[in-house]
Amino acid sequence: ETGVTQTPRHLVMGMTNKKSLKCEQHLGHNAMYWYKQSAKKPLELMFVYSLEERVENNSVPSRFSPECPNSSHLFLHLHTLQPEDSALYLCASSQEAGNTGELFFGEGSRLTVL
Amino acid sequence: QQQVKQSPQSLIVQKGGIPIINCAYENTAFDYFPWYQQFPGKGPALLIAIRPDVSEKKEGRFTISFNKSAKQFSLHIMDSQPGDSATYFCAATPGSNYKLTFGKGTLLTVNP
Repeated sequence: ETGVTQTPRHLVMGMTNKKSLKCEQHLGHNAMYWYKQSAKKPLELMFVYSLEERVENNSVPSRFSPECPNSSHLFLHLHTLQPEDSALYLCASSQEAGNTGELFFGEGSRLTVL
Repeated sequence: QQQVKQSPQSLIVQKGGIPIINCAYENTAFDYFPWYQQFPGKGPALLIAIRPDVSEKKEGRFTISFNKSAKQFSLHIMDSQPGDSATYFCAATPGSNYKLTFGKGTLLTVNP
């Protein structure tokens, strides 16, 4: 496996369910990110981890809970979501978070909240 | 001040045409301006990037033009091909990946 891998690719959940999105990077990077992509909106940064420490949390509702157990894995735990949370959730990694450089994105997890 | 305004929202050109996508910003602290390309069902991928010390950068058929005084930058695709059909995002940051701000994207269609 190479690059950034996200699972599942598609997820449908009710508002009372609990589910998790998983991301794994095989690039040896130190930083990992969660982005939300909605139609006709800019990519929204949700969380940033650098060396497993959260360095940025852009006022994301508490129904989204990130977890970074090591520098290669990132999770997004979901609970009591709302229909407006339906979107494509993208994971990305980069060598570092504190400087500029290429972000490597996964293919995303398409979430539908009923 | 953190916004990056991108236009047009969508663009259709014929094969061989030169589509141009424009972005504008307000924050003068921005010092790195990447463009990302996203195909359907895929994540965005870095296409080309520029810093404000140069006015133009070319990589193959893709060129970024940068106008620091106007706080604008644009992407030109020379001799466009149907395989270039994708969504293009401009972005800007004042020096760190976790402060990267994206535009809303431009859906480009290149007809054969």
